Amino acid sequence: GQNIDQPTEMTATEGAIVQINCTYQTSGFNGLFWYQQHAGEAPTFLSYNVLDGLEEKGRFSSFLSRSKGYSYLLLKELQMKDSASYLCAVRDNTNAGKSTFGDGTTLTVKP
Amino acid sequence: GAGVSQSPRYKVAKRGQDVALRCDPISGHVSLFWYQQALGQGPEFLTYFQNEAQLDKSGLPSDRFFAERPEGSVSTLKIQRTQQEDSAVYLCASSFGDGEHYEQYFGPGTRLTVT
Repeated sequence: GQNIDQPTEMTATEGAIVQINCTYQTSGFNGLFWYQQHAGEAPTFLSYNVLDGLEEKGRFSSFLSRSKGYSYLLLKELQMKDSASYLCAVRDNTNAGKSTFGDGTTLTVKP
Repeated sequence: GAGVSQSPRYKVAKRGQDVALRCDPISGHVSLFWYQQALGQGPEFLTYFQNEAQLDKSGLPSDRFFAERPEGSVSTLKIQRTQQEDSAVYLCASSFGDGEHYEQYFGPGTRLTVT
């Protein structure tokens, strides 16, 4: 099975940079996803990593180290609208469809 | 184009009632997933379809839960004899491919409250 850990809450200031970490222990690995979920809304896809390294997409970047079972999501130039929960999800290579989600990190951006 | 839609958005059921939750995936999406999300937690996998085939139902918590996708498009999650612990948001997601790296597009969810 999968075990995913991420911090429960983080607070940052508008305009700053924040890094949200995710560690995982898996019986198989076929990619790691980051999703954003605003309160009361559906999760929306942010990024996908399957190979080690950094993937950059605008203000958002995601890093993966498979040997360490570690990923982070980096958010730059924080905006108030970035206040949301950020979910780390690991896809299991023993099953084509199944992804296991962490409980999410609630990010609060303050002025 | 239209995203994933789910209905109803809210459902209140009395303990013991049966409920049916509907998911309309994005047209052309092969894969469809159901998740259960409790307050303050991440989505928990329930089941996965590729077209009309249910390839994984390992996350269904009991035999009271049943899902189908008979024509490979619309899916229904049915919960029989609802219990209070079934109260949660039920999310449906679809993806273009077979579950390989293609991201999942989530619907708004159905919030089920069992009283």
